[in-house]
Amino acid sequence: AQKITQTQPGMFVQEKEAVTLDCTYDTSDQSYGLFWYKQPSSGEMIFLIYQGSYDEQNATEGRYSLNFQKARKSANLVISASQLGDSAMYFCAMREGQAAGNKLTFGGGTRVLVKP
Amino acid sequence: DAGVTQSPTHLIKTRGQQVTLRCSPKSGHDTVSWYQQALGQGPQFIFQYYEEEERQRGNFPDRFSGHQFPNYSSELNVNALLLGDSALYLCASSFGSTFNTEAFFGQGTRLTVV
Repeated sequence: AQKITQTQPGMFVQEKEAVTLDCTYDTSDQSYGLFWYKQPSSGEMIFLIYQGSYDEQNATEGRYSLNFQKARKSANLVISASQLGDSAMYFCAMREGQAAGNKLTFGGGTRVLVKP
Repeated sequence: DAGVTQSPTHLIKTRGQQVTLRCSPKSGHDTVSWYQQALGQGPQFIFQYYEEEERQRGNFPDRFSGHQFPNYSSELNVNALLLGDSALYLCASSFGSTFNTEAFFGQGTRLTVV
């Protein structure tokens, strides 16, 4: 089974509007972390936001917020007030367990195109 | 403070050749992970190095090997290149690696095998 599923391959969003990117995950661990990264065409992965499995409140970082629904195993990213510079690929990723050396497992990504 | 730096940025190799990619981690980071990202897909974990040893490995053949130096920098070596090895190779560094550890990525090395 896929560990991280992003069901939206691509999305258009109007400038200044909000957009929600879906992410569902699969793990049997109690301890895990969920990450969102932005990848512009240059290739670098830029960290956006983190949510830990024990965090009771949804994470927020500026215009980015994470809608964490633990029972549904979903961690959707919300980008508010979209800007043209938000056009990029967005990846949801997870680290599992307490042991050291936990790799990041990525989803297939969602391409966002912001229209002026 | 320099972030994660990778070299070279682009590389073209012929099938069957060998290639070495390099990564310098962010200052203060001791753990380096390598990922392969094929076009249109998410990154796939290759392996992770900590204290100069391979600590975890993904589902990649032995043609992929690595090394970490005492200064925490790292190399990724790929032998007997195949056309399917064409991808963006990303290096990520962190301080330790548990479930809540943030990873910082370099800009990647784009490898084309012809």
